[in-house]
Amino acid sequence: AQKITQTQPGMFVQEKEAVTLDCTYDTSDQSYGLFWYKQPSSGEMIFLIYQGSYDEQNATEGRYSLNFQKARKSANLVISASQLGDSAMYFCAMRERTGGFKTIFGAGTRLFVKA
Amino acid sequence: KAGVTQTPRYLIKTRGQQVTLSCSPISGHRSVSWYQQTPGQGLQFLFEYFSETQRNKGNFPGRFSGRQFSNSRSEMNVSTLELGDSALYLCASTRERGETQYFGPGTRLLVL
Repeated sequence: AQKITQTQPGMFVQEKEAVTLDCTYDTSDQSYGLFWYKQPSSGEMIFLIYQGSYDEQNATEGRYSLNFQKARKSANLVISASQLGDSAMYFCAMRERTGGFKTIFGAGTRLFVKA
Repeated sequence: KAGVTQTPRYLIKTRGQQVTLSCSPISGHRSVSWYQQTPGQGLQFLFEYFSETQRNKGNFPGRFSGRQFSNSRSEMNVSTLELGDSALYLCASTRERGETQYFGPGTRLLVL
């Protein structure tokens, strides 16, 4: 069965520093996609970054990068130069081709950026 | 391009009532998925619609239902509301099945 694990319920980071949010996943599929979303207190889920299981390069989108280690089944999100506006919940998600593209989400990590 | 829109944004109902939530996907997107988010259970998949057909369903009772119209807009309905149905209901759309999902702002439902 699909499973996404985010072991850090909450994280603190100093403004302008980098932070890594952990995500491990479990799947028997060879083809899958990994996503990170940000959810501010307003509730909307904002797409940040995507990594396909066959992508050899780690995905990057501006200040966001995904540290993809396929053998370890981990897909950690790295946020560089943290900003106060980065304070939010962050969710790791996985979508498998089998099972009809159902997406499952981890429990989330709440990030607090300190001034 | 306009994002995913959901109406209403906030809703208060009483137990036993029914509710209908609406989702308009990004223009050109044909797949719509619904999720329920609660503090205790996190984000849980409800169902997915593509080309007016339900393609996937999560583990929710039959009180939860949905449909999709020819313009890809989707509605979900919850009948005989229970207190535990209080949640943030999120809708997400993709251009084709399996692509990146883009979410709407959600509908916050409170059942009293």
